Amino acid sequence: AQKITQTQPGMFVQEKEAVTLDCTYDTSDQSYGLFWYKQPSSGEMIFLIYQGSYDEQNATEGRYSLNFQKARKSANLVISASQLGDSAMYFCAMREGAALMDSNYQLIWGAGTKLIIKP
Amino acid sequence: EAGVAQSPRYKIIEKRQSVAFWCNPISGHATLYWYQQILGQGPKLLIQFQNNGVVDDSQLPKDRFSAERLKGVDSTLKIQPAKLEDSAVYLCASSPGQGYNQPQHFGDGTRLSIL
Repeated sequence: AQKITQTQPGMFVQEKEAVTLDCTYDTSDQSYGLFWYKQPSSGEMIFLIYQGSYDEQNATEGRYSLNFQKARKSANLVISASQLGDSAMYFCAMREGAALMDSNYQLIWGAGTKLIIKP
Repeated sequence: EAGVAQSPRYKIIEKRQSVAFWCNPISGHATLYWYQQILGQGPKLLIQFQNNGVVDDSQLPKDRFSAERLKGVDSTLKIQPAKLEDSAVYLCASSPGQGYNQPQHFGDGTRLSIL
Protein backbone atom coordinates (compact mmCIF):
# COMPACT_ATOMS: atom_id res chain seq x y z
CA ALA A 1 0.00 0.00 0.00
CA GLN A 2 1.14 3.53 -0.77
CA LYS A 3 2.38 5.28 2.33
CA ILE A 4 2.36 8.74 0.72
CA THR A 5 -0.29 9.64 -1.84
CA GLN A 6 -0.28 12.76 -3.95
CA THR A 7 -3.42 12.60 -6.07
CA GLN A 8 -2.69 15.56 -8.35
CA PRO A 9 -0.12 14.64 -11.02
CA GLY A 10 -0.30 18.18 -12.41
CA MET A 11 -1.89 21.55 -11.70
CA PHE A 12 -2.24 24.82 -13.55
CA VAL A 13 -2.81 27.92 -11.42
CA GLN A 14 -3.09 31.59 -12.27
CA GLU A 15 -0.35 33.81 -10.89
CA LYS A 16 -1.19 35.45 -7.52
CA GLU A 17 -3.81 32.82 -6.68
CA ALA A 18 -3.41 30.53 -3.68
CA VAL A 19 -2.55 26.87 -4.34
CA THR A 20 -3.27 23.76 -2.30
CA LEU A 21 -1.26 20.61 -3.05
CA ASP A 22 -2.75 17.46 -1.58
CA CYS A 23 -0.90 14.83 0.43
CA THR A 24 -2.27 11.92 2.41
CA TYR A 25 -0.16 9.47 4.36
CA ASP A 26 -0.48 6.11 6.00
CA THR A 27 1.36 5.08 9.15
CA SER A 28 0.68 3.23 12.36
CA ASP A 29 3.50 5.04 14.18
CA GLN A 30 2.60 7.73 16.70
CA SER A 31 5.83 9.60 15.99
CA TYR A 32 6.55 10.79 12.49
CA GLY A 33 7.58 13.82 10.50
CA LEU A 34 6.09 15.21 7.30
CA PHE A 35 8.11 17.22 4.81
CA TRP A 36 7.48 19.13 1.61
CA TYR A 37 10.16 19.65 -1.02
CA LYS A 38 10.25 21.70 -4.21
CA GLN A 39 12.18 20.55 -7.28
CA PRO A 40 12.50 23.08 -10.13
CA SER A 41 13.36 21.90 -13.63
CA SER A 42 17.03 22.60 -12.86
CA GLY A 43 16.96 19.54 -10.59
CA GLU A 44 17.86 20.68 -7.10
CA MET A 45 15.63 19.51 -4.23
CA ILE A 46 14.66 22.37 -1.92
CA PHE A 47 13.29 21.77 1.59
CA LEU A 48 10.19 23.91 2.19
CA ILE A 49 8.44 22.98 5.42
CA TYR A 50 8.23 20.39 8.21
CA GLN A 51 5.35 19.22 10.42
CA GLY A 52 5.83 16.85 13.35
CA SER A 53 3.13 14.44 14.42
CA TYR A 54 2.95 15.99 17.88
CA ASP A 55 2.83 19.58 16.66
CA GLU A 56 -0.53 21.12 17.48
CA GLN A 57 -0.06 24.19 15.32
CA ASN A 58 0.11 24.07 11.54
CA ALA A 59 3.63 24.82 10.32
CA THR A 60 4.26 28.03 8.38
CA GLU A 61 7.31 29.28 6.48
CA GLY A 62 6.79 32.55 4.65
CA ARG A 63 4.27 31.95 1.84
CA TYR A 64 4.14 28.23 2.65
CA SER A 65 1.86 26.67 5.22
CA LEU A 66 0.96 23.10 5.97
CA ASN A 67 -2.67 22.20 6.58
CA PHE A 68 -2.20 19.28 8.98
CA GLN A 69 -5.28 17.17 9.69
CA LYS A 70 -4.01 14.31 11.79
CA ALA A 71 -7.26 12.35 12.07
CA ARG A 72 -7.62 12.36 8.30
CA LYS A 73 -3.89 11.68 7.81
CA SER A 74 -3.65 14.66 5.55
CA ALA A 75 -0.77 17.16 5.17
CA ASN A 76 -1.62 19.55 2.38
CA LEU A 77 0.79 22.30 1.31
CA VAL A 78 -0.70 25.75 0.81
CA ILE A 79 1.17 28.37 -1.20
CA SER A 80 -0.27 31.84 -0.84
CA ALA A 81 -0.06 34.43 -3.62
CA SER A 82 1.63 32.14 -6.16
CA GLN A 83 4.51 33.45 -8.27
CA LEU A 84 5.94 32.33 -11.62
CA GLY A 85 8.99 31.02 -9.76
CA ASP A 86 6.77 28.55 -7.90
CA SER A 87 6.47 26.46 -11.07
CA ALA A 88 8.15 23.18 -10.13
CA MET A 89 7.60 19.61 -9.00
CA TYR A 90 6.48 19.35 -5.37
CA PHE A 91 7.09 16.24 -3.27
CA CYS A 92 5.49 15.26 0.02
CA ALA A 93 7.56 12.92 2.19
CA MET A 94 7.28 11.19 5.55
CA ARG A 95 9.74 9.80 8.03
CA GLU A 96 8.45 7.42 10.68
CA GLY A 97 10.26 7.06 13.96
CA ALA A 98 9.94 5.21 17.21
CA ALA A 99 12.06 7.81 18.98
CA LEU A 100 12.82 11.43 18.23
CA MET A 101 16.57 11.24 17.98
CA ASP A 102 17.24 7.70 16.92
CA SER A 103 15.57 6.50 13.76
CA ASN A 104 16.96 4.54 10.87
CA TYR A 105 13.75 4.69 8.88
CA GLN A 106 13.95 5.96 5.32
CA LEU A 107 12.25 9.08 4.04
CA ILE A 108 9.19 7.86 2.12
CA TRP A 109 8.35 9.95 -0.93
CA GLY A 110 5.14 10.64 -2.81
CA ALA A 111 5.02 10.62 -6.61
CA GLY A 112 4.98 14.40 -6.77
CA THR A 113 2.73 17.10 -8.21
CA LYS A 114 3.87 19.23 -11.13
CA LEU A 115 2.72 22.80 -10.54
CA ILE A 116 2.66 25.31 -13.38
CA ILE A 117 1.90 28.95 -12.64
CA LYS A 118 0.33 30.84 -15.54
CA PRO A 119 1.08 34.57 -16.00
CA GLU B 1 25.61 28.63 6.16
CA ALA B 2 26.97 26.92 3.07
CA GLY B 3 24.72 24.26 1.56
CA VAL B 4 25.48 20.77 0.38
CA ALA B 5 28.09 20.86 -2.38
CA GLN B 6 28.10 18.31 -5.19
CA SER B 7 30.23 17.84 -8.26
CA PRO B 8 30.19 17.43 -11.14
CA ARG B 9 26.90 19.04 -12.13
CA TYR B 10 26.62 17.03 -15.35
CA LYS B 11 28.36 13.92 -16.62
CA ILE B 12 28.07 12.02 -19.87
CA ILE B 13 29.79 8.64 -20.23
CA GLU B 14 29.46 5.51 -22.34
CA LYS B 15 28.13 2.29 -20.90
CA ARG B 16 30.69 0.11 -19.15
CA GLN B 17 32.76 3.15 -18.20
CA SER B 18 33.19 4.24 -14.61
CA VAL B 19 32.13 7.49 -12.96
CA ALA B 20 32.48 9.08 -9.53
CA PHE B 21 30.48 11.75 -7.75
CA TRP B 22 31.61 13.88 -4.84
CA CYS B 23 29.58 15.40 -2.01
CA ASN B 24 30.46 17.77 0.82
CA PRO B 25 27.64 18.03 3.38
CA ILE B 26 26.61 21.01 5.47
CA SER B 27 29.17 21.58 8.20
CA GLY B 28 28.33 19.64 11.34
CA HIS B 29 25.80 17.34 9.69
CA ALA B 30 26.46 13.80 10.86
CA THR B 31 24.09 12.04 8.48
CA LEU B 32 24.71 11.87 4.75
CA TYR B 33 22.50 10.31 2.06
CA TRP B 34 22.91 9.41 -1.60
CA TYR B 35 19.78 9.19 -3.72
CA GLN B 36 19.10 8.15 -7.29
CA GLN B 37 16.25 9.93 -9.04
CA ILE B 38 14.97 8.58 -12.34
CA LEU B 39 13.14 11.15 -14.48
CA GLY B 40 9.51 11.51 -13.40
CA GLN B 41 9.94 9.65 -10.10
CA GLY B 42 10.68 10.46 -6.49
CA PRO B 43 14.20 9.93 -5.12
CA LYS B 44 15.31 6.44 -4.17
CA LEU B 45 17.73 6.08 -1.27
CA LEU B 46 20.95 4.32 -2.24
CA ILE B 47 22.96 4.63 0.95
CA GLN B 48 22.86 6.43 4.28
CA PHE B 49 25.90 7.21 6.44
CA GLN B 50 26.00 8.22 10.08
CA ASN B 51 29.41 9.85 10.50
CA ASN B 52 31.64 7.41 8.60
CA GLY B 53 29.53 4.30 9.22
CA VAL B 54 26.92 2.84 6.87
CA VAL B 55 23.40 2.83 8.34
CA ASP B 56 21.43 1.58 5.33
CA ASP B 57 22.66 0.36 1.96
CA SER B 58 19.87 -2.10 1.26
CA GLN B 59 19.00 -0.54 -2.12
CA LEU B 60 22.55 -0.01 -3.33
CA PRO B 61 23.40 -2.30 -6.30
CA LYS B 62 26.62 -3.46 -4.73
CA ASP B 63 27.87 -5.30 -7.80
CA ARG B 64 28.45 -1.94 -9.52
CA PHE B 65 27.91 0.85 -7.00
CA SER B 66 30.16 1.74 -4.10
CA ALA B 67 30.27 4.64 -1.68
CA GLU B 68 32.50 5.81 1.09
CA ARG B 69 32.62 8.58 3.62
CA LEU B 70 36.12 8.70 4.96
CA LYS B 71 36.64 10.84 8.08
CA GLY B 72 32.90 11.34 8.37
CA VAL B 73 32.72 14.44 6.16
CA ASP B 74 33.06 14.24 2.35
CA SER B 75 31.62 11.31 0.48
CA THR B 76 32.11 9.76 -2.95
CA LEU B 77 29.73 7.54 -4.89
CA LYS B 78 31.16 5.40 -7.70
CA ILE B 79 29.57 3.40 -10.48
CA GLN B 80 31.67 0.79 -12.25
CA PRO B 81 30.73 -0.35 -14.85
CA ALA B 82 27.84 1.93 -15.79
CA LYS B 83 24.70 0.61 -17.45
CA LEU B 84 22.14 2.45 -19.54
CA GLU B 85 19.60 2.24 -16.70
CA ASP B 86 21.93 4.25 -14.45
CA SER B 87 20.98 7.42 -16.33
CA ALA B 88 19.48 9.56 -13.57
CA VAL B 89 20.07 12.48 -11.26
CA TYR B 90 22.22 11.57 -8.26
CA LEU B 91 21.37 13.65 -5.24
CA CYS B 92 23.38 14.01 -2.06
CA ALA B 93 21.68 15.19 1.12
CA SER B 94 22.67 15.76 4.73
CA SER B 95 20.93 16.25 8.05
CA PRO B 96 22.15 17.04 11.55
CA GLY B 97 21.08 13.59 12.78
CA GLN B 98 18.88 10.63 11.99
CA GLY B 99 15.76 11.59 13.91
CA TYR B 100 12.40 11.78 12.16
CA ASN B 101 12.24 15.53 12.78
CA GLN B 102 15.49 16.23 10.92
CA PRO B 103 14.95 17.75 7.45
CA GLN B 104 17.33 16.55 4.79
CA HIS B 105 19.04 19.31 2.84
CA PHE B 106 20.02 18.50 -0.72
CA GLY B 107 22.76 19.52 -3.09
CA ASP B 108 22.13 20.55 -6.70
CA GLY B 109 22.59 16.98 -7.91
CA THR B 110 24.60 15.38 -10.69
CA ARG B 111 22.75 14.65 -13.91
CA LEU B 112 24.27 11.47 -15.36
CA SER B 113 23.67 10.39 -18.95
CA ILE B 114 24.84 6.99 -20.18
CA LEU B 115 25.30 6.62 -23.94
